[in-house]
Amino acid sequence: KAGVTQTPRYLIKTRGQQVTLSCSPISGHRSVSWYQQTPGQGLQFLFEYFSETQRNKGNFPGRFSGRQFSNSRSEMNVSTLELGDSALYLCASSLELAGTDTQYFGPGTRLTVL
Amino acid sequence: DAKTTQPNSMESNEEEPVHLPCNHSTISGTDYIHWYRQLPSQGPEYVIHGLTSNVNNRMASLAIAEDRKSSTLILHRATLRDAAVYYCILRAYNAGNMLTFGGGTRLMVKP
Repeated sequence: KAGVTQTPRYLIKTRGQQVTLSCSPISGHRSVSWYQQTPGQGLQFLFEYFSETQRNKGNFPGRFSGRQFSNSRSEMNVSTLELGDSALYLCASSLELAGTDTQYFGPGTRLTVL
Repeated sequence: DAKTTQPNSMESNEEEPVHLPCNHSTISGTDYIHWYRQLPSQGPEYVIHGLTSNVNNRMASLAIAEDRKSSTLILHRATLRDAAVYYCILRAYNAGNMLTFGGGTRLMVKP
């Protein structure tokens, strides 16, 4: 089975622009979560989707948004980019929503904001 | 989610066992103990999880204290490939898939 894929792998944007990142979960997985990883803050939860509905949201401003499609693929969008948005954005998929479900992470998208 | 406390870093020699501790004194009865690790330049990967009893899998063993206020991840024979940041995370059974990562323990393995 193919793992979680994320596109693009690297991205360079300038302040004020917007960006869309894509995540394809493992086949059959219905839950997708997004995380931001920075050297200062570590790994932080952004949001979680299940069956096209956002089930949980982390403490991030409204500039960060996401959605999930009927095939479970997910996108996240960051509008009005700031320098502090430079980070590794990780997507994780799992079968369901149970607290015992294993999360499978993708390789991440490295976003640099200039 | 209840908080976990881990040492910032640990060192081990190759082919020796490694015991990575985690304290979680405020754990609740429905919290599962999960361990993930993140190898350099990769996303985190699942290692093991448990509730009350000790658990073994092909990667590691998880020893859970009787009062569940602490746990230990055991790598039986560390290899260079095990050098990573190890995260101990508590997850409530009905709390969805959100993982609350702490600082983790950076494990260095010496040849």
